[in-house]
Amino acid sequence: QVQLQESGPGLVKPSETLSLTCTVSGDSISGYYWSWIRQPPGKGLEWIGYIYYSGTTHYSGSTNYNPSLKSRVTISADTSKNQFSLKLSSVTAADTAVYYCARVPSVWGKGTTVTVSS
Amino acid sequence: EIVLTQSPGTLSLSPGERATLSCRASQSVSSNSLAWSQQKPGQAPRLLIYGASSRATGIPDRFSGSGSGTDFTLTISRLEPEDFAVYYCQQYGTSPLTFGQGTRVEIK
Repeated sequence: QVQLQESGPGLVKPSETLSLTCTVSGDSISGYYWSWIRQPPGKGLEWIGYIYYSGTTHYSGSTNYNPSLKSRVTISADTSKNQFSLKLSSVTAADTAVYYCARVPSVWGKGTTVTVSS
Repeated sequence: EIVLTQSPGTLSLSPGERATLSCRASQSVSSNSLAWSQQKPGQAPRLLIYGASSRATGIPDRFSGSGSGTDFTLTISRLEPEDFAVYYCQQYGTSPLTFGQGTRVEIK
């Protein structure tokens, strides 16, 4: 059974970079699309982007980002650790949310709350 | 971007009643790549339906999905107490992936 677990700082200062990692257990990250999704307090769900890693040697994976966040987002993968990561730069209070990693549409992590505040 | 519009915003029903939730897309959803998820307070969304009409593993058969193209429906045949929650539709066939704004099913 595939399980996902988000990890990272729960508090980030404005203008800094939010960094989160998702650890995948029960399956390889190769051959699937892995997404980051967020949910601001009391609001709906917003897809941030995904990475697809084929597992081919020397291939870093293909990414696709929500155009609304594309200029600030980087998603990468570490196959040796079976993890993928999110970096969101220049954060503001509007980036405060629960961040989920997911293998859309079927498997979700429990989510981690990130607050942007000085 | 495919905009998903869910209706109604809130559905007030009693246990045992039938719930019908709608999700309308601004353009055709690729390969019926439409999912329904349930979210309870403080929890991650849980997949109920994928491919518009296929139940996810372990989901009771009182949940069913239908539709194609731009109009999709989630039906809960007889509401159980644990079904009162927020339901989201999501399309995952076209980038950017998008979600509906949610329908809250509350106890009347």
